[in-house]
Order: sequence, then structure tokens, then C-alpha cells
Amino acid sequence: QSALTQPPSASGSPGQSVTISCTGTSSDIGGYNFVSWYQQYPGKAPKLMIYEVDKRPSGVPDRFSGSKSGNTASLTVSGLQAEDEAEYYCSSCTGSNSYIFGGGTKLTVL
Amino acid sequence: QVQLQQWGAGLLKPSGTLSLTCSVYGGSFSGNFWGWIRQSPGKRLEWIGDISHSGSANCNPSLKSRVTMSVDTSKKQFSLKLRSVTAADTAVYYCARSPGYWKIDYWGRGSLVTVSS
Repeated sequence: QSALTQPPSASGSPGQSVTISCTGTSSDIGGYNFVSWYQQYPGKAPKLMIYEVDKRPSGVPDRFSGSKSGNTASLTVSGLQAEDEAEYYCSSCTGSNSYIFGGGTKLTVL
Repeated sequence: QVQLQQWGAGLLKPSGTLSLTCSVYGGSFSGNFWGWIRQSPGKRLEWIGDISHSGSANCNPSLKSRVTMSVDTSKKQFSLKLRSVTAADTAVYYCARSPGYWKIDYWGRGSLVTVSS
């Protein structure tokens, strides 16, 4: 199964909002409300930022929000801060009872 | 606070078997799934599979024929074996915890495994 589709890069200035998309199919994103988003700094393990489409784990700033429409999920980062510069990955469960990840989006804070 | 500490051989020859183990510190061992994810040099993430404390395993269909996962509840450890490795299996391998609902809330630090002759 092919990876979920994410734009390779996104950027914004401090204080602005940026939205990263993640497109799949009806067999993954479109079929289930189990979309997660992960933040990864270079050389570090990914960190869970959003789960079940729009839920935030404890400790994740409310500047991070998630949504889904059809086969596309989105991560929005509001009030961009320098520390938000990282790679972001989406994931979903699939009809074959497995995880699938997106290719990653490099978020740059200008 | 949950911590995952992983170890295993970092350099393998083609056709060899990758073997990694992960120890769990803190939190509950039962009631969670314990899994493996790898990240290729191109940064792409790939889920390998996971296993419950009772040994019920779930695996990526593309890797299933080469993967064996096991769990030792007495030691709070779980392990991965990947057979017949090739250069395409070169990656950073992470052990991880999922409390269910298709989210991964704790990750190990990662182990670089290189397959080269």
C-alpha cells in the first residue's frame, strides 16, 4: 500500500498559521477516525501531537489542531513559534489492520 | 513516565537476521501493544508490526513473511527478528508503545541498522 500523501514542505512566519495536508483513500483516512500526527526533530524519535483526528495528548499546546474531510486530514499550527520547526508525519489505520504513514512535511519557520 | 530502551546489532550482512529487543520501564506492560517502526534513510516511516502482552501479533503485510515478534512479560521486554535482510532494510528501527486506537504514544530512541556486505 502506498504512503499517505503530504506536501514535502510548508512554511510560515512567527505568529502565523500553517496547515499541512495528508491525503489518503477511503481504505485508510476516509474510512476511519484514527488519524494521528507526529512531530520529529532531527536525530530524535517522533512525538505524538494529535490522535483520533483532533485530540491532543496532555502537554501538547493547543496551537496544534487536527481535522479531517473525506480522504484528507489536516494539521494546523497556529501562532507559529521557532520551536515548531520540525518534520511532521501523519498516520492512519488501514483496512488491512495496519498503520500507514505519510511521507513527511518539513515545516520551516521563516 | 514510560521509557523504552532498545538494543541490537547495528551492522548486518545481506541474508542475515536482524534482531532487536526493547525493555519497558514504567507504565503498564499489559493493556498496551508493543511495536516496531522503521525509518529509511530517506526519512520515510514504515510500521513493521506490534504485539500484545499476551503474544497476539499484528504485522505489516509487506513484511509478514520475514518478521517474528515475541514478548517476555516477566522481563517487560519485546523483540523483533527480521530474516533475509537486504540493503533495503537499512533504517533506524524504533520500538514503541500503542495503548490502542491506532496511536503511538511512546517511542524508543531508535537503533540504526545497516545492511552491507
